[in-house]
Amino acid sequence: GAGVSQSPSNKVTEKGKDVELRCDPISGHTALYWYRQSLGQGLEFLIYFQGNSAPDKSGLPSDRFSAERTGGSVSTLTIQRTQQEDSAVYLCASSLPGLAGVIFGPGTRLTVL
Amino acid sequence: RKEVEQDPGPFNVPEGATVAFNCTYSNSASQSFFWYRQDCRKEPKLLMSVYSSGNEDGRFTAQLNRASQYISLLIRDSKLSDSATYLCVVAGSGGYQKVTFGTGTKLQVIP
Repeated sequence: GAGVSQSPSNKVTEKGKDVELRCDPISGHTALYWYRQSLGQGLEFLIYFQGNSAPDKSGLPSDRFSAERTGGSVSTLTIQRTQQEDSAVYLCASSLPGLAGVIFGPGTRLTVL
Repeated sequence: RKEVEQDPGPFNVPEGATVAFNCTYSNSASQSFFWYRQDCRKEPKLLMSVYSSGNEDGRFTAQLNRASQYISLLIRDSKLSDSATYLCVVAGSGGYQKVTFGTGTKLQVIP
């Protein structure tokens, strides 16, 4: 596609359930980022994938959070045993090799009841 | 110290005013710099790159001061449609090219 796509656009779940969020980056973009943003707050870095290098997981807030990127393309962010404080918009972004700016997807709005 | 720091604002300015935002970064090896704009409940979008020699795009001027490790964004003749949050972005350090976002500066242009 022409841009970064994310699915679902909205997800409502119950506390304690697991959720999977998907990101399809722009074709050819080797770098992929996950961020989350709570209402009225700044972007919180979660994880960074760059090509075949080991991902930078330094932003993952707990071991309930994990992400993978298959074949250097699609990425899935998994949150296990969701908590109410996990409610936020989860944004994926990708970029070309080198120091280009990143392009964001529209985000997934997660609500944990 | 945060890698990228911005004044969160809000900056409330009248239409037609000139407003400037600064952003400081901690890693002197950073190589690329950008300003992004984020509208309410939308994803951030690239506004402009920031070049060493400074660059201008219409009413927007971006400048980089490597010695003092800050970048700036100047908006002239503010429009109501400029109301948004402006995010400073710093990228690249050696072979590790991760981008880092500031928390943003909120601008409200008032009639």
